[in-house]
Amino acid sequence: GAGVSQSPSNKVTEKGKDVELRCDPISGHTALYWYRQRLGQGLEFLIYFQGNSAPDKSGLPSDRFSAERTGESVSTLTIQRTQQEDSAVYLCASSFLGTAHLEQYFGPGTRLTVT
Amino acid sequence: ILNVEQSPQSLHVQEGDSTNFTCSFPSSNFYALHWYRWETAKSPEALFVMTLNGDEKKKGQISATLNTKEGYSYLYIKGSQPEDSATYLCAYNTGTASKLTFGTGTRLQVTL
Repeated sequence: GAGVSQSPSNKVTEKGKDVELRCDPISGHTALYWYRQRLGQGLEFLIYFQGNSAPDKSGLPSDRFSAERTGESVSTLTIQRTQQEDSAVYLCASSFLGTAHLEQYFGPGTRLTVT
Repeated sequence: ILNVEQSPQSLHVQEGDSTNFTCSFPSSNFYALHWYRWETAKSPEALFVMTLNGDEKKKGQISATLNTKEGYSYLYIKGSQPEDSATYLCAYNTGTASKLTFGTGTRLQVTL
């Protein structure tokens, strides 16, 4: 079946502009996660959705970052007034919350470059 | 250990060599340990999820062990092939739906 998809695959934007990144999780997966990897660093957690609610937003680095999820499906991550330090690969993952299903399935990521 | 640590940072082996990597993680509030394989320009691919102390899992020529009491996991690749070249990530979480905390990965390059 279809995996997690993300769009765009690459985004180059000028400093100060807003960007929206999209994630389509695997159908039926109620949990959705956003992570990012900046150059030379490990994957870092940004936000977690259970259904359309976000019980854990602890990883959002500043109030310029926000995310929403609708229909227990698509999620968008919005970065306002982008800065060069926002350049990273942004990854989305989804999972099915059953006792035997612990894996998070990742999309291919969006590579964001802020110039 | 407060964070996830992986070693070595990178590794370059010849085809046919066997190799292993280490992942150290906090042993308190442990729920599950995950290994992923991430090839450039692709999605990270789940290899193993392990929860029980002493767990051993195997997938083809790749296997992993888990020690939750001392907070470490080993990933072994027997007879490395060039297609095994990737970054191997480990991560742990503290509950079924909780975030994954990742190490920085071990970058493996296998040459002919």
